[in-house]
Amino acid sequence: SQQGEEDPQALSIQEGENATMNCSYKTSINNLQWYRQNSGRGLVHLILIRSNEREKHSGRLRVTLDTSKKSSSLLITASRAADTASYFCATDTSWGKLQFGAGTQVVVTP
Amino acid sequence: SQTIHQWPATLVQPVGSPLSLECTVEGTSNPNLYWYRQAAGRGLQLLFYSVGIGQISSEVPQNLSASRPQDRQFILSSKKLLLSDSGFYLCAWTASGGRFGGYTFGSGTRLTVV
Repeated sequence: SQQGEEDPQALSIQEGENATMNCSYKTSINNLQWYRQNSGRGLVHLILIRSNEREKHSGRLRVTLDTSKKSSSLLITASRAADTASYFCATDTSWGKLQFGAGTQVVVTP
Repeated sequence: SQTIHQWPATLVQPVGSPLSLECTVEGTSNPNLYWYRQAAGRGLQLLFYSVGIGQISSEVPQNLSASRPQDRQFILSSKKLLLSDSGFYLCAWTASGGRFGGYTFGSGTRLTVV
């Protein structure tokens, strides 16, 4: 079974807009990670947030974590066409074994 | 710098044929290694992971097996493929020793069983 569930399943926005996607999980975690996957390619690690952290930034990415609600969000600011991809959250519950959600498909149109 | 190689990129195999997918990591030692499978439009399912040579943990009982004959080599195998084995197979590594960070994924193998 999948630990993380992303919402929405699909998101379509225009360049320059912000994209927000959410992830909910079921059990306690050590950390939560976000990955990007371009069509037919491997996954690329974007950002890791530990269970004792509440917010983290990396470039145009902002991740929040609310362990009381067992949820996380990924915000991509000022989206570009190159941000078109699927985004996955993954939870580390057992020091190194990640469980992935089904992903959010993001389409950024020029 | 560390790199991960996975091959082949695509594979079409008949039902009942054997399978061998190989993954190697360079530039690190004693990595944790993982095999995932991704069905079309879905998330990743963890199949096997290994924390050392000869040590394999299976997450899902199935028609597949894994081996780690060398520190930085991880092999996914099957003696007889089923149609349901079709999918996108991804190898990944992360540093061992409790300092877990993000995974680094290979570019994947698209397997079609016909």
